[in-house]
Formats: sequence, structure tokens, C-alpha cells
Amino acid sequence: DAGITQSPRHKVTETGTPVTLRCHQTENHRYMYWYRQDPGHGLRLIHYSYGVKDTDKGEVSDGYSVSRSKTEDFLLTLESATSSQTSVYFCAISESKGWTEAFFGQGTRLTVV
Amino acid sequence: AQKITQTQPGMFVQEKEAVTLDCTYDTSDQSYGLFWYKQPSSGEMIFLIYQGSYDEQNATEGRYSLNFQKARKSANLVISASQLGDSAMYFCAMREFPGGFKTIFGAGTRLFVKA
Repeated sequence: DAGITQSPRHKVTETGTPVTLRCHQTENHRYMYWYRQDPGHGLRLIHYSYGVKDTDKGEVSDGYSVSRSKTEDFLLTLESATSSQTSVYFCAISESKGWTEAFFGQGTRLTVV
Repeated sequence: AQKITQTQPGMFVQEKEAVTLDCTYDTSDQSYGLFWYKQPSSGEMIFLIYQGSYDEQNATEGRYSLNFQKARKSANLVISASQLGDSAMYFCAMREFPGGFKTIFGAGTRLFVKA
């Protein structure tokens, strides 16, 4: 199994509070991604990174920011959590931007109350 | 813009029979890759199979095969000899090359295998 660890695995937070999710990899893969999964929508890309300090927006980036200061860590921050951000969040990594599949973390279930 | 459509929210199949899960895609690029992932009830995402847009042969991986029809922009997953353990959500995904940082996913199909 690819070495990807997401933390925390579960979190309940209040509306308006900041939340940071962490993705840690031990594979030294260049590309890292954050997705959210919601019923009826599949997985939607929030942000991605193509190297240290190199990040860009995905299709649902509003309300989220990311940082990547080291190859192995990719952080997703909800600056001020809203109930619409209740979701399951997946981190993924891939070795290249070519054909290789992305490997996924176990997911983080976030509930905003 | 990229788009993946999976029109079957849920499907039933009898154990040991074959089943086809539909996937259509939209892209203006000539170079792209198509992927299928399985998500069992435990929640992890499991890579199943890959098809490149220039591959002339349909991809196969064990009981999984990808019926790639480029002109129709379809990439259906065929599972032969279904097993109870195949009950799961299945996602079709696409990545465009070059600059293929983004992999986009369809909404998924939930497959139920009946004993």
C-alpha cells in the first residue's frame, strides 16, 4: 500500500472555526491532491500541488486554502468552516502527471455543526 | 472542459454474471487517460484499470476489462463473473495530458451483487 496518512480521520467542528487537515506521504511523489466526496457528486478536486510551494485551484476551491512546505506534507485549511463543507475529504498522490494512477488516503470525515 | 458522466446511480447483478458499468467523457484533448476506481463500504479508493487514449487494445486486469470506444467517448467497465465482494461504488475518472494535474471523477455507480 502507498504510504499516505491523513489526519485526523474524524473531526467535528463548529461553524466559523478554522480547520486544518493534514496529508502525509512517504512515497516522495511529486503530485498531491485534495478531493471532497459528497453523495451524487463523486469526488471533486479542491486543490492540487505539483511541487513544494507549487499549488493550484481545482473545481471547488472556494473557502479552502492549501500549503505544501515539504514534499511529504500537504495541508488543507478551511479558514472559517461552514455546514456546506461537511464532507469526506480524500488526499491523493501520484508519481507523475502521466498515466500513473493516483493513490488515495483513507479519508477524513469532517462534520461542521 | 473535462466532464465525466456515469448515468447509472445503482445496478444489480447476479453473482457469477457479467456486468457493464457505463462511463462517457467529454474532452477536447487528444491525449488523455481513463481510470476506474472501486470504493467498498470501508471507504478506501482502489485503483482497478487504466486506458490511454492512444492505446489500440482495450485494457484488461483480471476480471476487469475496459470497453473503450473513442469515437463515442465511452469507457465502460466490464466485470466478468461477479463476486459478492464486488459490491461497491465504482468511479470513472479522466486525466488530460499534458498538464494533466487534474483528475476528474464521475458521480459513481453503486453495484449490488446478489447471491
